[in-house]
Amino acid sequence: QKEVEQNSGPLSVPEGAIASLNCTYSDRGSQSFFWYRQYSGKSPELIMFIYSNGDKEDGRFTAQLNKASQYVSLLIRDSQPSDSATYLCAVNPARGSARQLTFGSGTQLTVLP
Amino acid sequence: GAVVSQHPSWVICKSGTSVKIECRSLDFQATTMFWYRQFPKQSLMLMATSNEGSKATYEQGVEKDKFLINHASLTLSTLTVTSAHPEDSSFYICSATPTGRETQYFGPGTRLLVL
Repeated sequence: QKEVEQNSGPLSVPEGAIASLNCTYSDRGSQSFFWYRQYSGKSPELIMFIYSNGDKEDGRFTAQLNKASQYVSLLIRDSQPSDSATYLCAVNPARGSARQLTFGSGTQLTVLP
Repeated sequence: GAVVSQHPSWVICKSGTSVKIECRSLDFQATTMFWYRQFPKQSLMLMATSNEGSKATYEQGVEKDKFLINHASLTLSTLTVTSAHPEDSSFYICSATPTGRETQYFGPGTRLLVL
């Protein structure tokens, strides 16, 4: 059974700090990896996707992927109270085709003013 | 880009009635769309995978005769909850994947309350 595990949280960080969110996955053949943000009462919103080992930066967000360790993380620099949400890690077994995502249970992040 | 809309955003209905929810990809074509349900404080639960022009694939435990899915075009999929009951009250969310891609973009969701 394919599994995606996230650190349970809740995670609290002070405003301006770096928030680090972690995720491990069981299917070694996984090809594409996603981070979604879900505010309470809202639907998930795509933050980033990553396919290759290493880091990918987009503004204050950096996704890191290590396929050998089956590990993907999301760093949020200069955290803001508006970043307070649940962050979902999702894994797709393929690239270039729509397949069912396997989601982690999410990590709830609170950024304290 | 990659905007997905859902309509309606809120629906309240009486037990026994049917409710149709539309999911549209506004600026891309989506061969595949997905329907999820989420109960309060719980994770997303995939209900079905919808492919344009073919029958939907339902997850185990999801009644296909109760949750009718039609994906008649590359930009529109509909979910009809037939003979809705209070236990069907939930947050229904669709996602769409641009043809040839693997990224899922979510709609804003539809809250269904069955009285």
